[in-house]
This record gives sequence, C-alpha cells and structure tokens, in this order.
Amino acid sequence: KNQVEQSPQSLIILEGKNCTLQCNYTVSPFSNLRWYKQDTGRGPVSLTIMTFSENTKSNGRYTATLDADTKQSSLHITASQLSDSASYICVVSFSKAAGNKLTFGGGTRVLVKP
Amino acid sequence: NAGVTQTPKFQVLKTGQSMTLQCAQDMNHNSMYWYRQDPGMGLRLIYYSASEGTTDKGEVPNGYNVSRLNKREFSLRLESAAPSQTSVYFCASALRTQVEKAFFGQGTRLTVV
Repeated sequence: KNQVEQSPQSLIILEGKNCTLQCNYTVSPFSNLRWYKQDTGRGPVSLTIMTFSENTKSNGRYTATLDADTKQSSLHITASQLSDSASYICVVSFSKAAGNKLTFGGGTRVLVKP
Repeated sequence: NAGVTQTPKFQVLKTGQSMTLQCAQDMNHNSMYWYRQDPGMGLRLIYYSASEGTTDKGEVPNGYNVSRLNKREFSLRLESAAPSQTSVYFCASALRTQVEKAFFGQGTRLTVV
C-alpha cells in the first residue's frame, strides 16, 4: 500500500526561528512530490513541487529537499513568521493506468508563537 | 479569478438526510476530484472525474455518489448521511495530465448528528 508519513504531527516554534518538517513515502512508481500549506478552514495551497530528478526547491522562506533514494523529503521554514502557522501537507503522486493519483500525508501542524 | 468554488461552506445534517455538495471551477480543467479530510489523516480520494462524462471511484467511495454535470461542475451527493461521514470535504481540479498541480476549493465542513 502506498503511504506517506509525516513527522512531527505538530510543533510549536518561536517567531523568527527555523524549523524542518519530515516526509517519508513508500509510493511507487514515484512521479513527483509536493508540499502544500493549509491554513485553518481553508483548502491546501501549493508551496513547492519536485520531480524525481530534483533535490531541492525553494519558494521564499520555504525550502523543500528530496532524496529519491531514501524516499524522504523535508520542508525547511526559515525565519518563521506568525503567518506560517498552518498545517503542512506532503503529497506524493504516482502514475496509474487511469491517470495520476495523489497520496496525502497526515500533515504537520505548525504553530508560530510571538 | 475564482478558481475552485465549493458550496456550502458549512452544513449540519441529521442521520439519514441527503444532500449535495456543489463544486465549480473556472480554469477549464479536465479533471475534478472529491476528497475528505479527517483529523490526523491525509486527504482521501472519494471519487474523481478524469474528464467530462466520466467518473470513477477513489479510495473511499461508499456512501457517496457523484455527477460530472459539465466540464465546470462536479457534485458529490450523500444519499443517506451517517455520522461517519462527518468530515471536511474538498473539491479539486487539474489539467488531465497534471494532477500533481491540482487546485483545491476552500472546503465544506459537514457534521452529521
């Protein structure tokens, strides 16, 4: 069964500090990996997307890394801001005959405190 | 540019009642999806429509039906709501070959009592 596991489930950080979120997956065959940010009461919004051949991708203060050999990805948030408080979801897509499908991780809930 | 629009945003149903969740997208996307999100779990695919006129079951289709009314609209129907269907429902759309770039609606929070 294809799975995407994220850790930690939640974390609290002080404003201005950095943090790193982890994503491990067993999806095969792997197509690409995407990190979403989901604010409370809103739908997920894409932060980064990486294909098999990419090791890192940045979007402002967000940097995602990918190690396709170990099937691990991380999302690093630099100089956190209060607006970074949200759930961060790792999503892996794999190809199937009926079209690409997405497998979602359970998310990491981040709370940035002043 | 509205993107993906879901209605309603909130709904409370009694067990056994029926209702339809509406979803519309204005990005000319071929594919549309319905997911449910439960606490601590990843989004799970209920049904999807790869293109207008086609629908297929996802991971958790039981208790739901869908209709791809036209290219813009994809509705999700609960015929006889159960408490286990209490969840947040998200509609998404994407170009047929780019599901990894799906855009999501803001969600419908459904409570079945």
